[in-house]
This record gives sequence, C-alpha cells and structure tokens, in this order.
Amino acid sequence: AQTVTQSQPEMSVQEAETVTLSCTYDTSESNYYLFWYKQPPSRQMILVIRQEAYKQQNATENRFSVNFQKAAKSFSLKISDSQLGDTAMYFCAFMKGSGGGADGLTFGKGTHLIIQP
Amino acid sequence: DAGVIQSPRHEVTEMGQEVTLRCKPISGHDYLFWYRQTMMRGLELLIYFNNNVPIDDSGMPEDRFSAKMPNASFSTLKIQPSEPRDSAVYFCASSLARKVIGGELFFGEGSRLTVL
Repeated sequence: AQTVTQSQPEMSVQEAETVTLSCTYDTSESNYYLFWYKQPPSRQMILVIRQEAYKQQNATENRFSVNFQKAAKSFSLKISDSQLGDTAMYFCAFMKGSGGGADGLTFGKGTHLIIQP
Repeated sequence: DAGVIQSPRHEVTEMGQEVTLRCKPISGHDYLFWYRQTMMRGLELLIYFNNNVPIDDSGMPEDRFSAKMPNASFSTLKIQPSEPRDSAVYFCASSLARKVIGGELFFGEGSRLTVL
C-alpha cells in the first residue's frame, strides 16, 4: 500500500513571497504519478500540477513548480509570487501507474496555506 | 461545460436514518469515484466505477454503505442506517479513461453530511 505524508498542517506567508510545501511518500511501485491538488474554501478539488515518476525533469505550471526527488521519495510544491487566491488546502497525491485503468488517488492529509495581504 | 454535480450540498440527519448522496459526472466521462473527507482521516477513496461497473469497493467502510451507478450519467452513495461517525464531506469525481492515469480527476463540490 502507498502512503503520502504532508508534515506541515498549516503555513502562512506574505503575499508575493515564495512558499514551499513538503510531501513525502512511500511505495514499492516503480511506475507512478504524483500530484498536487488545491482545495479552496469552495471545497472543489482542483488539479494544480502532476509529475510522472519516470520523468527526471521537474514539472512546472506558471507560478507552480515541483521538486521531485525520486530516491528520497520527496515531492515538494513551490509557489512563486504567492497571491491571495492561493489561500487553500493543498493535497499531495499518489497514483500507481500500473494496471489498465485507475486505482484512484491516495492523498496526504493536506497543508492549509494562508497568504497574508 | 457543466462540471461534476453533487446533491445535496448539505445534509443533516439523525442517527439511524437513510442517507442518499447523488452525483452526475461530466458527460462522456467513463470513470467515477466516490471519496470521503474527514479531519481525522483526510481523503479516502470509497469506491470507483468504470463504464458503470464497480471496479474496487475495498474502501467502503462497512455494509451500511452501498453505491450504484445505474447509467453513465448518475450515481448514488447510500448509507443505511447512518451513524454520527459517518459525518464527513463526500466527494464525487469523474474522469476520461485516457486521462485517469494522468490523475486529472474532476471533482464535484462535495456533499457535507452531518449525522446527529
């Protein structure tokens, strides 16, 4: 079974600052995907960024980037030039890459990120 | 494009009552997932369907929980009888097969259930 650990229950930074959210995972799988989802107060989960484990290059989506360290099983999210709208719960998630379909996502407990004006 | 639609958005009921949560996936999506979110346990996968067929229900906590998908545009999650420990936010998500493995699940806004 896979586990995903987010060790920071809550973080607070000033607007425009850069913030890094931590995530570690444990798996015996060799082929898998990692994700960061955002859950704003509206509750709807929104995919922020994904990383294929077989890719060495770190994924980037505008102000969002990841630091994927496969050997260390670490997958952190960096948000640059943080904005008030980034205030939300952020969940790290894991999905096996094997099988013909999906086994669903395994989520961490989340980090509540607060952007202060 | 309408997203995943869940109803009710909020439900308050008394212990022992039957609860039915509903989900309409995005048209054309062939995977549907039910998740439960609590403070203690975070987000847990309960069950998922592919082409209306349940594939994995190992996350369903006990026999009081059941889920159905009678057609491609509708799914229900039923709890009978409900207990206070079932209080949680229940999410439905859908995806296209070609995107599932890439993780792009589209979530509804969730149904917040409170069992008194």
